[in-house]
Amino acid sequence: GAVVSQHPSRVICKSGTSVKIECRSLDFQATTMFWYRQFPKQSLMLMATSNEGSKATYEQGVEKDKFLINHASLTLSTLTVASAHPEDSSFYICSALGGQWTEAFFGQGTRLTVV
Amino acid sequence: GENVEQHPSTLSVQEGDSAVIKCTYSDSASNYFPWYKQELGKGPQLIIDIRSNVGEKKDQRIAVTLNKTAKHFSLHITETQPEDSAVYFCAASYGFKTIFGAGTRLFVKA
Repeated sequence: GAVVSQHPSRVICKSGTSVKIECRSLDFQATTMFWYRQFPKQSLMLMATSNEGSKATYEQGVEKDKFLINHASLTLSTLTVASAHPEDSSFYICSALGGQWTEAFFGQGTRLTVV
Repeated sequence: GENVEQHPSTLSVQEGDSAVIKCTYSDSASNYFPWYKQELGKGPQLIIDIRSNVGEKKDQRIAVTLNKTAKHFSLHITETQPEDSAVYFCAASYGFKTIFGAGTRLFVKA
């Protein structure tokens, strides 16, 4: 399968600061990337879908001004959690779709802890 | 709205036994059904998938079956090993839309 790399794997930040998470497709061009949020012992909840070069489409209930998504190139998408608060602490996971692949591949996830 | 139900939520088996996880989906347009294994602190990893034009698929100890009429699909793991212990998610997809099940925590006891 294809390789999707997510960075950082863990981040701890102070309340009120912003955090950027990167998602890279290493061996294919990702025309579409997905960002998920996963709370402990729960399933993945889709936050937004981004296509390269266009604005992300956010799921209902997800604040686009708080979770800023940029997909400026075919190999990189970023999720910025703006002015993070403790309730934003969660596991954030990206997946990428494109190239020869008809299925999306997941990154390793980022554990965000806001203190 | 569309949803995917997954059962059981927790499954404990003895090493060497089989494990079966079942999912039901509601969106009849779904045509792709992947299964993911997620280990603690890691992202989901695709382990097997099946498309709507196929009823069964097998890859070594793992098999998946699909009943489109009943909107059921199942994951079968034979000869389970301790390293199979993880959380397993089923999903139902149509185009870019993917709905995940709630997950099954599998424990394989040595």
